[in-house]
Amino acid sequence: GQNIDQPTEMTATEGAIVQINCTYQTSGFNGLFWYQQHAGEAPTFLSYNVLDGLEEKGRFSSFLSRSKGYSYLLLKELQMKDSASYLCAVLDSNYQLIWGAGTKLIIKP
Amino acid sequence: DVKVTQSSRYLVKRTGEKVFLECVQDMDHENMFWYRQDPGLGLRLIYFSYDVKMKEKGDIPEGYSVSREKKERFSLILESASTNQTSMYLCASSLTWEAGELFFGEGSRLTVL
Repeated sequence: GQNIDQPTEMTATEGAIVQINCTYQTSGFNGLFWYQQHAGEAPTFLSYNVLDGLEEKGRFSSFLSRSKGYSYLLLKELQMKDSASYLCAVLDSNYQLIWGAGTKLIIKP
Repeated sequence: DVKVTQSSRYLVKRTGEKVFLECVQDMDHENMFWYRQDPGLGLRLIYFSYDVKMKEKGDIPEGYSVSREKKERFSLILESASTNQTSMYLCASSLTWEAGELFFGEGSRLTVL
């Protein structure tokens, strides 16, 4: 079956750096996505990786290793507003999105 | 600014009632999706549509139906609501079939008593 694993919850300190990992086993691969979802709100798109390597976008970066079935989202200079759930999703060979359960990130002052 | 609008943020219904959840997008997107989101689980696809009047079953279509009479509108119907359908329902749209970048609505939290 298809599976996406990410930690359920993480805690980090304001101003610090945090890395949220995602491992996947899917039928084919057409890209990996990270979404951010604040409590009670809609998920919003953060990043997309289809080739191996690091994609940087401001304070957020996303890394992909297709051979290892692994990605991480790196958040730098954490701010209180980064407290949210972060969802990892893989586009499989049928162009269906397979979703992880999400990682709830708690930022402490 | 792109927008996906869901008709109701919060609904409370009784077991056996018929429930309509409506979703409208203003981006002229071809594809629209209905997901449900439950604690501890990833988003689960109920139905999707890649064109007007077209619909495809997702992973958990049982107990649900959909309607897409116009490109911008995608409705989710629960013919006879049950307590296990208490959930957050998220509508989304995307520009192309291959695109994994989805635009989501705010969600409709349904409670079935």
